Amino acid sequence: SQQGEEDPQALSIQEGENATMNCSYKTSINNLQWYRQNSGRGLVHLILIRSNEREKHSGRLRVTLDTSKKSSSLLITASRAADTASYFCATSQGGSEKLVFGKGTKLTVNP
Amino acid sequence: SAVISQKPSRDICQRGTSLTIQCQVDSQVTMMFWYRQQPGQSLTLIATANQGSEATYESGFVIDKFPISRPNLTFSTLTVSNMSPEDSSIYLCSVRTGGQPQHFGDGTRLSIL
Repeated sequence: SQQGEEDPQALSIQEGENATMNCSYKTSINNLQWYRQNSGRGLVHLILIRSNEREKHSGRLRVTLDTSKKSSSLLITASRAADTASYFCATSQGGSEKLVFGKGTKLTVNP
Repeated sequence: SAVISQKPSRDICQRGTSLTIQCQVDSQVTMMFWYRQQPGQSLTLIATANQGSEATYESGFVIDKFPISRPNLTFSTLTVSNMSPEDSSIYLCSVRTGGQPQHFGDGTRLSIL
């Protein structure tokens, strides 16, 4: 079964605005990762946050993790049309290398 | 990060036939995985490809339908056997090595008529 559930399923914003996507999961995790997928192509790894971390930044990306609420958020600041894509969270648990993906958020950034 | 080449990038196949997808990495990697992404859906792990031994399949996926080979640390194949329209999906290879996160190939978009 899917571990992560993204919210919202779809998000449409104007260029320059910020985009926030949320991910909830059900069991204890080792880490949580965010990936981007452009138009049905391969996934691009964006950022990994470990279970003992609360916040992480990478360029225009900011990820938070709240293990007590079993949730994470991805913030993209000053969005660009090129940010248009689907965004997925993925978790790994225990000693497993396997990733369990959420359903994804489809982000559209209008020029 | 490793450069992953997946072939073919897309194909249209007749039902009842089989297709083999190749995943080639430009460096040796510890782990290789195969995922399926059905239309409009998220990714689901099919199996972990083990070098020199049988793949480890996830619940709902069987070797007869999705035979996997991994002859060395840089190459793996996934075969989709006896295809039906329900097999129309994107199939993605991913790799992981050392302390790096999983990285994905561009995927194979498969349509079955």
